[in-house]
Amino acid sequence: NAGVTQTPKFQVLKTGQSMTLQCAQDMNHNSMYWYRQDPGMGLRLIYYSASEGTTDKGEVPNGYNVSRLNKREFSLRLESAAPSQTSVYFCASSSGQGLQETQYFGPGTRLLVL
Amino acid sequence: AQSVTQPDIHITVSEGASLELRCNYSYGATPYLFWYVQSPGQGLQLLLKYFSGDTLVQGIKGFEAEFKRSQSSFNLRKPSVHWSDAAEYFCAVGVTDSWGKLQFGAGTQVVVTP
Repeated sequence: NAGVTQTPKFQVLKTGQSMTLQCAQDMNHNSMYWYRQDPGMGLRLIYYSASEGTTDKGEVPNGYNVSRLNKREFSLRLESAAPSQTSVYFCASSSGQGLQETQYFGPGTRLLVL
Repeated sequence: AQSVTQPDIHITVSEGASLELRCNYSYGATPYLFWYVQSPGQGLQLLLKYFSGDTLVQGIKGFEAEFKRSQSSFNLRKPSVHWSDAAEYFCAVGVTDSWGKLQFGAGTQVVVTP
């Protein structure tokens, strides 16, 4: 099993450009998450999907959109990138709802917006 | 609102020495508490978690953590560190006003010297 995979690993964008970060999991998990990691701030939740067909906002959703394409895939889209979105983005998944369910993380996507 | 504080941004420890990482939380009820480790260039991996019961929790890689309600703390310890323990460590608290959200601390970077 590959676990949680993310593409691309690294991306440079110019301000105003758009892009989609891809995430896939092969663990048959129901719930998926997108986080951003900034120095000195830990991880902050952007969006999450409790199950296929549902998505909800997290702590910092502004400037992002998500799509739960199917049970395996959960994408994050930046419609018009801004320098403030320079960050490392992590996707995670868990088998179900609830804090007792361990979240498994992907290796991350480093995004630089110039 | 829940919050997590990791007072130490950076810790240097000699290989073979003991390690203790501090974590303090602010929460009204019994918290769900987690420690994650992030090795360079990798995603986060769960070390251990506390939900209830025995306040001393054993995790992977020889780590343990102790929940102290009176001090609102959940400190992580390892008796003898290995060079492979060099990483960033994150404490997190479960946000129980929703079903699976985690509030992360800012992280502690651990450097292991020979």
